[in-house]
Amino acid sequence: TQLLEQSPQFLSIQEGENLTVYCNSSSVFSSLQWYRQEPGEGPVLLVTVVTGGEVKKLKRLTFQFGDARKDSSLHITAAQPGDTGLYLCAGVLLAGSARQLTFGSGTQLTVLP
Amino acid sequence: NAGVMQNPRHLVRRRGQEARLRCSPMKGHSHVYWYRQLPEEGLKFMVYLQKENIIDESGMPKERFSAEFPKEGPSILRIQQVVRGDSAAYFCASSLVVAGFTYEQYFGPGTRLTVT
Repeated sequence: TQLLEQSPQFLSIQEGENLTVYCNSSSVFSSLQWYRQEPGEGPVLLVTVVTGGEVKKLKRLTFQFGDARKDSSLHITAAQPGDTGLYLCAGVLLAGSARQLTFGSGTQLTVLP
Repeated sequence: NAGVMQNPRHLVRRRGQEARLRCSPMKGHSHVYWYRQLPEEGLKFMVYLQKENIIDESGMPKERFSAEFPKEGPSILRIQQVVRGDSAAYFCASSLVVAGFTYEQYFGPGTRLTVT
């Protein structure tokens, strides 16, 4: 069972469309990160959210952390082909002393020109 | 400001050989994490180390796998007597820890291990 469920798993859209990727869990996280990974490369950090209800914007990307810190969403406005990639959510569980990241299974986004 | 460095980027080993993967953290970071990404699977935590100390190895397979982060030099993930199921991408991440607060983890480009 995946601790962090990401949906959708695959998403193919046309340039200029908007999209939202979801990351859900029944567990509470002390912080949650969003990464983007290109083929053959490591994940690149996009944003960190730590406060319930927090919203962060990075150009056309908007990240939200749920009030209960169990879920998060990534919204992309006017998607461009350069946004194509694997988007990963990852969190540090609140319970216990673990500092490792628990990753979602990822959303493979393809933006067609 | 160099990021996390990993080498080699690609490693091919025959069954039964040893694999050594190296990771140099970002400048100023003293905490290192190793993750494994199996084909068609997500990233899974393996081990968390501080200089000269293993903090958490709850994700490490019980046999054949070991990790170290010496006082000087890179962190090493060692896999003895590799089997085909060890074929995966291995990622290292590092973070800054100040006054007990752990900052974000930054990832290296990974080492792709292929066992033939």
